[in-house]
Amino acid sequence: GENVEQHPSTLSVQEGDSAVIKCTYSDSASNYFPWYKQELGKRPQLIIDIRSNVGEKKDQRIAVTLNKTAKHFSLHITETQPEDSAVYFCAASETNTGFQKLVFGTGTRLLVSP
Amino acid sequence: DAEITQSPRHKITETGRQVTLACHQTWNHNNMFWYRQDLGHGLRLIHYSYGVQDTNKGEVSDGYSVSRSNTEDLPLTLESAASSQTSVYFCASSGGGSSYEQYFGPGTRLTVT
Repeated sequence: GENVEQHPSTLSVQEGDSAVIKCTYSDSASNYFPWYKQELGKRPQLIIDIRSNVGEKKDQRIAVTLNKTAKHFSLHITETQPEDSAVYFCAASETNTGFQKLVFGTGTRLLVSP
Repeated sequence: DAEITQSPRHKITETGRQVTLACHQTWNHNNMFWYRQDLGHGLRLIHYSYGVQDTNKGEVSDGYSVSRSNTEDLPLTLESAASSQTSVYFCASSGGGSSYEQYFGPGTRLTVT
C-alpha cells in the first residue's frame, strides 16, 4: 500500500521568511496530493492540492510542486506570518479507480515567530 | 449551510465498554471516512464508506466497526474500548467523482480509563 513520509517534523522560521515542507510517496499510481492545515484544537482544512498532470500550483503565498519521477512533492509558503503557525499534513491518493482514500504524512509543526 | 458534525465532542469511558461515536453530514456526500489522530502518527484511516451499505477497513481497523444505513451518517463503534484507543477521532466526507476534497468534522476526544 501507499506510504507517505513527511519532513521536517518541526520547522521554526522568522516572520517574512519562506518555509518548505517536503513529502515523498511510494505508490507510483498515486495521482492526487492535497495539503491540509490544522490549527491547534481545530479540524484539518484543505489549503491546496495538486494532481499528477501538473508540476506546480500556486495560490497567493502558498505553492505546491510535484516531481512524479522522484515521487516527491513540496509545500512552499512565502512571506510567512504568525497566523501560518499550525501543523501541516501532506497526503496522497490514487483516484483512477474512483476511490479517494487518502494516506497522510505524519505532519509538520510550523512555528512563525514575529 | 451544509456541514459535518460529530458527537460527542468529548467522551471518557472505561476499558471494556462499548462506545459509539456519531458522524453526520448534510452535503449528501457519498464518501465518508473515520480517522484517528495520535501524536507522531498523523491521521490514520480506520474505516471508510463509498455509499449506503458499503463499508471498508482502513489501516487501523482492529477493534472498530462502522455501518452505513443512510447517506448522512457513519457511526463508529468501539466494540470493547481499550486504553490504546484513547485518541482524537475525526470523521470526514467527500463528494466523490472528480471532487476529491475531504471535509473534516470538529473531532471527538475519547479517553479510555
